[in-house]
Amino acid sequence: EVRLVESGGGVVRTGESLRLSCGAFGFTFDGHGMSWVRQAPGRGLEWVSGINWNGASISYADSVKGRFIISRDNAKNSLYLQMSSLRAEDTALYYCARDVSYIALDTWGQGTMVTVSS
Amino acid sequence: QSALTQPASVSGSPGQSITISCTGSSSDVGAYNSVSWYQQLPDKAPKLIIYDVNHRPSGISNRFSGSKSGSTASLTISGLQAEDEADYYCSSYRIGNLGVFGGGTRLTVL
Repeated sequence: EVRLVESGGGVVRTGESLRLSCGAFGFTFDGHGMSWVRQAPGRGLEWVSGINWNGASISYADSVKGRFIISRDNAKNSLYLQMSSLRAEDTALYYCARDVSYIALDTWGQGTMVTVSS
Repeated sequence: QSALTQPASVSGSPGQSITISCTGSSSDVGAYNSVSWYQQLPDKAPKLIIYDVNHRPSGISNRFSGSKSGSTASLTISGLQAEDEADYYCSSYRIGNLGVFGGGTRLTVL
């Protein structure tokens, strides 16, 4: 079964850091690009960051550029999102997702909640 | 980075067809055939229902179809069913290896 499992969410204060992880199961992880997508409570989806299969191509939404770092470890079938200088507006459910064709995301995890409080 | 534009809500009766539009720009929808559509049920992760403008993943009903004209993409759901009631999001690849979503459309089946 193709599956993604996120972890690492929690409650942090403004300005603090957090590292999210996403484990991949049931497919060839290094054969796919991956993305992080977030959804603030009661709001829509926002694409956050993407990484290609070998980590050589990385991109970020303007809202997180300079504060978030995406990375992957293909040997561990894992995707990461290092988040720093967190703000209240970063509060959201963070999903990792598998990319099958130019931001066509066919497999999603259950999400991990990040709450940033002052 | 502005989001793609979708209507906030649409509605239809069972058996009818509805169409949801998704308007972008020459930097995303208008530049690439890389538009996707997602269905999100309450408290669930999004589900891919259309990719590359008009392709359906395996297992997705042929009642869902996609199209594009210029910088506007569209999702059509035919033979509307109660189970189709959900939030629908479009997304597109954007110049600079970026992704962008629409604001989402709430579909109500009357």
